[in-house]
Amino acid sequence: AQSVTQPDIHITVSEGASLELRCNYSYGATPYLFWYVQSPGQGLQLLLKYFSGDTLVQGIKGFEAEFKRSQSSFNLRKPSVHWSDAAEYFCAVGMYSGGGADGLTFGKGTHLIIQP
Amino acid sequence: EAGVVQSPRYKIIEKKQPVAFWCNPISGHNTLYWYRQNLGQGPELLIRYENEEAVDDSQLPKDRFSAERLKGVDSTLKIQPAELGDSAVYLCASSPGRGGLAFFGQGTRLTVV
Repeated sequence: AQSVTQPDIHITVSEGASLELRCNYSYGATPYLFWYVQSPGQGLQLLLKYFSGDTLVQGIKGFEAEFKRSQSSFNLRKPSVHWSDAAEYFCAVGMYSGGGADGLTFGKGTHLIIQP
Repeated sequence: EAGVVQSPRYKIIEKKQPVAFWCNPISGHNTLYWYRQNLGQGPELLIRYENEEAVDDSQLPKDRFSAERLKGVDSTLKIQPAELGDSAVYLCASSPGRGGLAFFGQGTRLTVV
């Protein structure tokens, strides 16, 4: 079974500084990879996704992520964070079988705190 | 395009009472999911529908949870009777089908007292 590890429960970053959130996955084949963001009391918003091709993917709000097969990682980055980026970030792995789009397996999340 | 709509947003019930959650997916999305998110955790899949068929309900606690998706569109998740441990956010998501790309609703926060 697939699994996702987000090693950092909390990360504090100063506004304007760069950000990297770590994600490692365990899966037997090349997975589909996602990053979602969740603000308090809200559902999950898709930031970006990796299906195949270019291993550096661009998302919304200035985020990007890089798929590294050798490290089983899919780290999320942003060159300069804004106070509005404070939220919970979830990495997820999914697959597509002949029966359709299987459900996602999520990590436990990383809580991002932005210092003024 | 309207997103995934869930209701109610919040629900407080006493233990042993029944509760139901409703979800309207994005138009044209054949795949619908129900997830449960406990406090401080990532969402966990409860059930997946392809049209009106439940194709993966292995994580659904069938002694007290039930779900249906009539006509392959809207879906209802029910808990009867509710227990204290059921307090969580229940998220509905829908997908056009490829690679599990899912769009989530805002969720229903259930508190069982």
